[in-house]
This record gives sequence, structure tokens and C-alpha cells, in this order.
Amino acid sequence: SQQGEEDPQALSIQEGENATMNCSYKTSINNLQWYRQNSGRGLVHLILIRSNEREKHSGRLRVTLDTSKKSSSLLITASRAADTASYFCATAPNNAGNMLTFGGGTRLMVKP
Amino acid sequence: EPEVTQTPSHQVTQMGQEVILRCVPISNHLYFYWYRQILGQKVEFLVSFYNNEISEKSEIFDDQFSVERPDGSNFTLKIRSTKLEDSAMYFCASSGHTTETQYFGPGTRLLVL
Repeated sequence: SQQGEEDPQALSIQEGENATMNCSYKTSINNLQWYRQNSGRGLVHLILIRSNEREKHSGRLRVTLDTSKKSSSLLITASRAADTASYFCATAPNNAGNMLTFGGGTRLMVKP
Repeated sequence: EPEVTQTPSHQVTQMGQEVILRCVPISNHLYFYWYRQILGQKVEFLVSFYNNEISEKSEIFDDQFSVERPDGSNFTLKIRSTKLEDSAMYFCASSGHTTETQYFGPGTRLLVL
């Protein structure tokens, strides 16, 4: 898979359920960031997890990072219809560069 | 809460024309970026800018593109002689440091006819 590939590409759940999205990457990273994008709109930063961290929480969001497997997951608990959006992971390289490499995203639909 | 702003929100131009996309990064940030997202595709890095010079650029960022920080607040992307394939959403972003969160603006949707 390419750097920053999300899985699944699309996810449909009922309000109140949890949503889990996964991201895989290939190269060494400094950090991994998750963003949300409503249709045709801007990118909203959700959470940043550094390569020396394994888990972070922010409200209903939980992000894990497994550098040995080069993968991350984003869990949204107790989903709401307003969570409907595309979710992207983006990796920052470990070479002091600052270029973010984005995956193709997971389109999440939360049905009321 | 501070945010990145971009103008215009939409721009329609004729092929071959020059366009300038404008961004106002978060005021105490030092690193500035441009990304683009062609409809239905991934967000792609174009260029990063620090201390009044380009620090990194992608293969997409060829001689057709240039960036400038003309004053203490604005950061611009100029596209010379636009092509049909330049049609995309262009995002500006800024961060306080290279390893920190990049905050994105709402984007400029560019349509080249």
C-alpha cells in the first residue's frame, strides 16, 4: 500500500455506534496526524500522535500508533450524524522535512 | 481561536492566465505550506516555506508555480499560465514548527476553463 493509506475506503454506521478507521504507511515518521474534511470543504485537524507515543485521546477520539507495523487507527466513539465526513491520515517524515503525505481517506457516513 | 484564512474562496480563470491565491497564516507561525487536492483525489504537497525561502517542494511545484511572503501577514501562491489540469482545491497551511500540527485554511477552489 502507499504511504498513508486508509482502510476502509468507506464506512456506514448508525448513530451511537463506534467507527474505526485504519491507516498504514511505509517510511519512518516523526508524527502522524488525522484530519477531517466535510464534503468540498477545508481540512480540520483532529489529533497528532508522535512516533514515540502509542495512544492519544481527545474527546470522543482515540488514536493509536504502532510503529512496528507502520499503522495507526482512529476510533470515534458514540458517533453522531455530524461526524459524517472524510477522514485522512497524514504522515510527517522522520528526516526533519515537513511535507505531509496524505492517504486517500475514509468516507464515514453516520446514519441518524 | 486563530485560524488560517484564504482568499478568494473560488476562482475561475481562462487557460493561460495567471492567478494568485492568497493566504493569511496564523500570526505566530513560522512555517507555511501549500497543498492541492484535485477533485476526488488525495491531498498533495506542493511547497513549504520558512524564513523567506522555499524549504521543500514536490515534483508538482515546477517553474509554473511560485510563492511569496510579500509582507508580514500574507503568503501567496502564483500560478503562471494556468492549465486545465491545475483545476483543484488549493489549501494553505501553517505550523509553529516543522514537527508540529499543520493548520489548514478553508481552501481556494480554482477552476481553469
